[in-house]
Amino acid sequence: EIVMTQSPATLSVSPGERATLSCRASQSVSSNLAWYQQKPGQAPRLLIYGASTRATGIPARFSGSGSGTEFTLTISSLQSEDFAVYYCQQYNNWPRIFTFGPGTKVDIK
Amino acid sequence: QVQLQESGPGLVKPSQTLSLTCTVSGGSISSGSYYWSWIRQPAGKGLEWIGRIYTSGSTNYNPSLKSRVTISVDTSKNQFSLKLSSVTAADTAVYYCATHSGSYGPFDYWGQGTLVTVSS
Repeated sequence: EIVMTQSPATLSVSPGERATLSCRASQSVSSNLAWYQQKPGQAPRLLIYGASTRATGIPARFSGSGSGTEFTLTISSLQSEDFAVYYCQQYNNWPRIFTFGPGTKVDIK
Repeated sequence: QVQLQESGPGLVKPSQTLSLTCTVSGGSISSGSYYWSWIRQPAGKGLEWIGRIYTSGSTNYNPSLKSRVTISVDTSKNQFSLKLSSVTAADTAVYYCATHSGSYGPFDYWGQGTLVTVSS
């Protein structure tokens, strides 16, 4: 099983500031990496797939980078609606299970 | 646009079988483009993929749950279902159905989730 880790567990940021979230895979997942945003009481929402491609309707302030085992999600200028929990997820085709990271909570500083 | 809706009992007794159904709208479950998954999330915790099914009936399960999980599809009703046997309190969670396109891909459509509590 590919184990995903995320850091930090919590990130306190002021509105308008930049946020940088990290995700690491225990073995290479190539670019088969997605990022999700989850707000309380809601299902996760796909933000980024293929490590760096924004999903439909996702604002340009969200960007993803990385490949192999190290990945980054950057929110260039945090808006009030961006305070949430962010999960990374690998969907590499071997081994054939999907795994998520434990999440990074972005809260208001 | 594909929409997913979970349904099923919100309370299950320990040792019994949890059964949930996901109804798909806005697209055909047998279109061949999508794989259909179940994912769960205990309160305040992260996401755990349970398993998936393709329209052909082929399945993949998380090894940690494989002995207790069955996922099936009913193309006539545009639904797929989850059965989790011998449940304990540790199976209490919000259960989501979700879908992705291609053999392996990100989950681009999710249901709203349904809370299942295991308690006597």
